[in-house]
Amino acid sequence: QKEVEQDPGPLSVPEGAIVSLNCTYSNSAFQYFMWYRQYSRKGPELLMYTYSSGNKEDGRFTAQVDKSSKYISLFIRDSQPSDSATYLCAILRSNDYKLSFGAGTTVTVRA
Amino acid sequence: EADIYQTPRYLVIGTGKKITLECSQTMGHDKMYWYQQDPGMELHLIHYSYGVNSTEKGDLSSESTVSRIRTEHFPLTLESARPSHTSQYLCASSESVEGGGNSPLHFGNGTRLTVT
Repeated sequence: QKEVEQDPGPLSVPEGAIVSLNCTYSNSAFQYFMWYRQYSRKGPELLMYTYSSGNKEDGRFTAQVDKSSKYISLFIRDSQPSDSATYLCAILRSNDYKLSFGAGTTVTVRA
Repeated sequence: EADIYQTPRYLVIGTGKKITLECSQTMGHDKMYWYQQDPGMELHLIHYSYGVNSTEKGDLSSESTVSRIRTEHFPLTLESARPSHTSQYLCASSESVEGGGNSPLHFGNGTRLTVT
């Protein structure tokens, strides 16, 4: 069983739509939860991180963590064509401080 | 603008050749990493280093080797390339423990390796 499972997508949405991205994880020892964004032919870059259950907002982005269900989500409001990218969830293992990544979801926002 | 640089961006090479993928960072980070990324698959850690003369193997077994003689430089070498090595290789660095909240990974733009 993979440590982190990410909804595979791809997703194609019209400009202005809400994008919902989801991951589940199996190890309750995970403690930090991150979302990386990767544009085509670029390396991933950190978008958001959180370490507690609940919601964290940053502009149009909201990261949500439910530790009881081992479920994390990223919501993008008022999506823009510039949000077109692959989004990777990543979770830090507390036993060895290494990241486990999801396989990524590719999002295309149509103008 | 990325402060971590990988060369070459693309490499097509024949089976059996020795190759070195270069990675340099200007941020003074002690921690550096090599990940392998295939389409539709998770990033897999293949090597990491926590400082000069320190290298460790990651989660994914790899026939590649790494060295860390200088803080800013973390090259990856394949002694004899094979088609199974075809992949994208991403180098990253961090100030503190990997990705721990306030210490994100900074990635280079990758080297796409094709072995024919």
